[in-house]
Amino acid sequence: AQSVAQPEDQVNVAEGNPLTVKCTYSVSGNPYLFWYVQYPNRGLQFLLKYITGDNLVKGSYGFEAEFNKSQTSFHLKKPSALVSDSALYFCAVRDEISGNTGKLIFGQGTTLQVKP
Amino acid sequence: DAGVTQSPTHLIKTRGQQVTLRCSPKSGHDTVSWYQQALGQGPQFIFQYYEEEERQRGNFPDRFSGHQFPNYSSELNVNALLLGDSALYLCASSLVRASNTGELFFGEGSRLTVL
Repeated sequence: AQSVAQPEDQVNVAEGNPLTVKCTYSVSGNPYLFWYVQYPNRGLQFLLKYITGDNLVKGSYGFEAEFNKSQTSFHLKKPSALVSDSALYFCAVRDEISGNTGKLIFGQGTTLQVKP
Repeated sequence: DAGVTQSPTHLIKTRGQQVTLRCSPKSGHDTVSWYQQALGQGPQFIFQYYEEEERQRGNFPDRFSGHQFPNYSSELNVNALLLGDSALYLCASSLVRASNTGELFFGEGSRLTVL
């Protein structure tokens, strides 16, 4: 069965330092991977996606993610964290069983706390 | 360009009641998906509508039903509410021709509390 795992409930980083939010996935075919961010009491905002091509994907707000097929990982990164990056981050994979219906399978989420 | 809009933003119901949540997709989008996000959890797929029909359904009971209108807007109905139905209900829109590779655009959600 397809799944997404975010092994860290919370990541703490100082402002200006690089950040990494981890995600691993399990699919039988080619993965379509996504990162979303959720601010308190708000909906989800799209950050970036990997469909095919370069393993390093650049997205919104200076975020990027590295696709690693051998490690089945899709970690979210940013070279220099901002306090305003503090939020809940979700990794998701497109459900391949349902075909092209667009169903996403989400991880449990990782809270990013950036301290001044 | 209006994004995805949902109403109401907050509502409180008691066990056994029924609720209807509404969603207007992003301009130009033709597909609406509904997700349930319980506290501290990731969103769980409920179902998706395209051309006024349910295309795909997640692992939710028949108490959860939906509808899509000719203008692509959608409703989520939940009957016989249980305490466990308390959650943030998210609507997401997309284009069916980009279903595999296109991102979903989410609304702000409707926060349902069942007492």
